[in-house]
Amino acid sequence: QKEVEQDPGPLSVPEGAIVSLNCTYSNSAFQYFMWYRQYSRKGPELLMYTYSSGNKEDGRFTAQVDKSSKYISLFIRDSQPSDSATYLCAMSVNDYKLSFGAGTTVTVRA
Amino acid sequence: GAGVSQSPSNKVTEKGKDVELRCDPISGHTALYWYRQSLGQGLEFLIYFQGNSAPDKSGLPSDRFSAERTGGSVSTLTIQRTQQEDSAVYLCASSSQYNQPQHFGDGTRLSIL
Repeated sequence: QKEVEQDPGPLSVPEGAIVSLNCTYSNSAFQYFMWYRQYSRKGPELLMYTYSSGNKEDGRFTAQVDKSSKYISLFIRDSQPSDSATYLCAMSVNDYKLSFGAGTTVTVRA
Repeated sequence: GAGVSQSPSNKVTEKGKDVELRCDPISGHTALYWYRQSLGQGLEFLIYFQGNSAPDKSGLPSDRFSAERTGGSVSTLTIQRTQQEDSAVYLCASSSQYNQPQHFGDGTRLSIL
């Protein structure tokens, strides 16, 4: 079993829809949680960075962490075609050795 | 300001050859990381450098892989006697210090024929 499991997708939604992305993990020592966005043939770009449980909002993006369930989520509101990308969850114990999910590819249809 | 720069962007080589991949981190960033991204796989941690401390090499998959960081800035990842399973995207990241968010370059796409 992988340390971080991510819903594989792909996910296709109409423009304006809410995109919901999820990851589960097995290592209860993880305490830093991140979401990255990766466009084709580009490096991952940091979207959200959270510590411990709770919600964090940044514009159209909301990250949720539930440490009791070992579950994290990213929500994208009012999705746009420019949000079409692969989304990667990542987490760490000591905040330098990141463990990544395999990524979910999202397509937002105009 | 300039982001993390990696070169070459693409590399095609024959099995058994050695390859060197280069990473220029963001200026002033003391922490530098190498990851590997294989098709259908998540990013896999390879090695971490922090200042003048000994690197964490725990993610290197075999002794054919090595990395160095000269002068606390530029880093080179070397793969000796390349194998077809080494084909992947090699990504470099840097951060201002170990506990700050990591910023990635666009990677080197390595293909072993």
